[in-house]
Amino acid sequence: IAGITQAPTSQILAAGRRMTLRCTQDMRHNAMYWYRQDLGLGLRLIHYSNTAGTTGKGEVPDGYSVSRANTDDFPLTLASAVPSQTSVYFCASSPDGTTKNIQYFGAGTRLSVL
Amino acid sequence: GQQLNQSPQSMFIQEGEDVSMNCTSSSIFNTWLWYKQEPGEGPVLLIALYKAGELTSNGRLTAQFGITRKDSFLNISASIPSDVGIYFCAGQLIAGNQFYFGTGTSLTVIP
Repeated sequence: IAGITQAPTSQILAAGRRMTLRCTQDMRHNAMYWYRQDLGLGLRLIHYSNTAGTTGKGEVPDGYSVSRANTDDFPLTLASAVPSQTSVYFCASSPDGTTKNIQYFGAGTRLSVL
Repeated sequence: GQQLNQSPQSMFIQEGEDVSMNCTSSSIFNTWLWYKQEPGEGPVLLIALYKAGELTSNGRLTAQFGITRKDSFLNISASIPSDVGIYFCAGQLIAGNQFYFGTGTSLTVIP
């Protein structure tokens, strides 16, 4: 059972470069999420999608974009990376975006922007 | 965004001791989740709570949904070395579907 797969597992990126973090789930969950985790700040929601074809902004969306062309994939794009985007990025999914919304997480992507 | 205050920030305990941690908010939540994260991994769900006053156990772990709906507690009994990790609470507001996470409690168990 794969669950949620994130790629790459880690990346070092030059500032100004474009980067897409990939997330795929095989649980047929409707809702998917992207978080960033920074020391002392916990997990903060970047963007979410309650169902294929829809997306929404979370707590810290600036500098990031997402798309949800199908149920399984939810890529996160940094159009022009900046050093403050150095973080660990987690993708999560849940059966739906409303009640009893248990979220399952991937193993994370460690991104360093230099 | 919403602020979840999680305490303590870190704990160093002897193997066999019980552990208590809590999460408080100024807002009312309709769901509380507790996760554990080990180094290099994503958070793994431990316990989910959906009703005020609810007390739920998962092995040696017990969590409670506070009566005021503004807090939640996690207890670990008879700690063992594999309990080491960072424990996060997460709350969902009544009005929305976004979860807000606490800053975590880092647990170290000394054999």
